[in-house]
Amino acid sequence: AQTVTQSQPEMSVQEAETVTLSCTYDTSENNYYLFWYKQPPSRQMILVIRQEAYKQQNATENRFSVNFQKAAKSFSLKISDSQLGDTAMYFCVYITHGAGSYQLTFGKGTKLSVIP
Amino acid sequence: DGGITQSPKYLFRKEGQNVTLSCEQNLNHDAMYWYRQDPGQGLRLIYYSQIVNDFQKGDIAEGYSVSREKKESFPLTVTSAQKNPTAFYLCASSIVWGLVGWDTQYFGPGTRLTVL
Repeated sequence: AQTVTQSQPEMSVQEAETVTLSCTYDTSENNYYLFWYKQPPSRQMILVIRQEAYKQQNATENRFSVNFQKAAKSFSLKISDSQLGDTAMYFCVYITHGAGSYQLTFGKGTKLSVIP
Repeated sequence: DGGITQSPKYLFRKEGQNVTLSCEQNLNHDAMYWYRQDPGQGLRLIYYSQIVNDFQKGDIAEGYSVSREKKESFPLTVTSAQKNPTAFYLCASSIVWGLVGWDTQYFGPGTRLTVL
């Protein structure tokens, strides 16, 4: 069974600083997808960034970037120039699918607080 | 405006009653999903539908039922067989399922169900 581990239940960062959230996963699959989602107090889930496992290049999306280490099964999220609006719960998500099947696993989340 | 709507935002029911949660999307997405979120946890997949008139069980389908009679609608019924139904329920949709990988999912605002 796939597992996703986020080892930091809570983190805080000063506004404008950089923070890295860690995520490790366990899988025997070769093709899969990894995502970071944020869930602000409004509870809605918002996509931050996605990474396809077959791509060696790390995904970037404005101030957000990942460090994807496939061999180590690690998928960390770096937030640069942190803003107050980044305060949220961040979930690392693993997904794989095949013909007629779909496997989704969420980590337990990291609560990030951006301090003014 | 295109998006996903869920209603109501808060729902209270007595134990033993069935209750149906609404999810509607006007994004013309083929695939729709239902997730459950418990306090301090990530999402868990209840059911998903790749296309109209088709749906598949997720990881925790017991005690739940769905229908997909229209492309834009994917209601979830929480039955009396669900032993611990109090939770936050999120509906999501994506353009397609599987064919080009797992596409970005768009989430609704969620429904908080409390069983008294």
